[in-house]
Amino acid sequence: EIVLTQSPATLSLSPGERATLSCRASQSVSSYLAWYQQKPGQAPRLLIYDASNRATGIPARFSGSGSGTDFTLTISSLEPEDFAVYYCQQRSNWPGTFGPGTKVDIK
Amino acid sequence: QVQLQESGPGLVKPSQTLSLTCTVSGGSISSGGYYWSWIRQHPGKGLEWIGYIYYSGSTYYNPSLKSRVTISVDTSKNQFSLKLSSVTAADTAVYYCARDRGPRGANDYWGQGTLVTVSS
Repeated sequence: EIVLTQSPATLSLSPGERATLSCRASQSVSSYLAWYQQKPGQAPRLLIYDASNRATGIPARFSGSGSGTDFTLTISSLEPEDFAVYYCQQRSNWPGTFGPGTKVDIK
Repeated sequence: QVQLQESGPGLVKPSQTLSLTCTVSGGSISSGGYYWSWIRQHPGKGLEWIGYIYYSGSTYYNPSLKSRVTISVDTSKNQFSLKLSSVTAADTAVYYCARDRGPRGANDYWGQGTLVTVSS
């Protein structure tokens, strides 16, 4: 099973700042990496699939990059609604696995 | 717009079988190209993928749960279902159904989730 590690665990930022979230895989996942946003009491929402493709309706301030074992989710300028938990997920090997999450909270 | 909705008991006794159904609207399970997953989230914790099914009935289960999991599909009702046997308190979680963008695809549509508590 591929293990995903996310860093940092918590990111404290102010609205308007840039957020950079990291996801590292225990072995190569090629580009089969997705990012999700989850707010309290809600289901996860797909942001990025195949490492760098924005899902339908996702604002351009969200971008994904990376391949192999190292991936980054960047939020160029945080909006108030972006404070949430972010998970990465790999679907390269079965079973698909999720990272433990990065919480982006208001500084 | 595809929508998914989980349904089933919110309370299950230890050693019994947890049964949930996901009803899909706005799209047909039989149209192909997509897989249909169950994913759970323990309270305050991360996400765990349980398994998925294709409309043809082919399945893949997480090896950690494989001995207790059955996922089935009813294309006539546009539904798929989860059964998890011999549950314990460790199976208490929010259970989500979701659509997969292919066998290695991300989950692009999710149900709202349903909390299942295992307790006597």
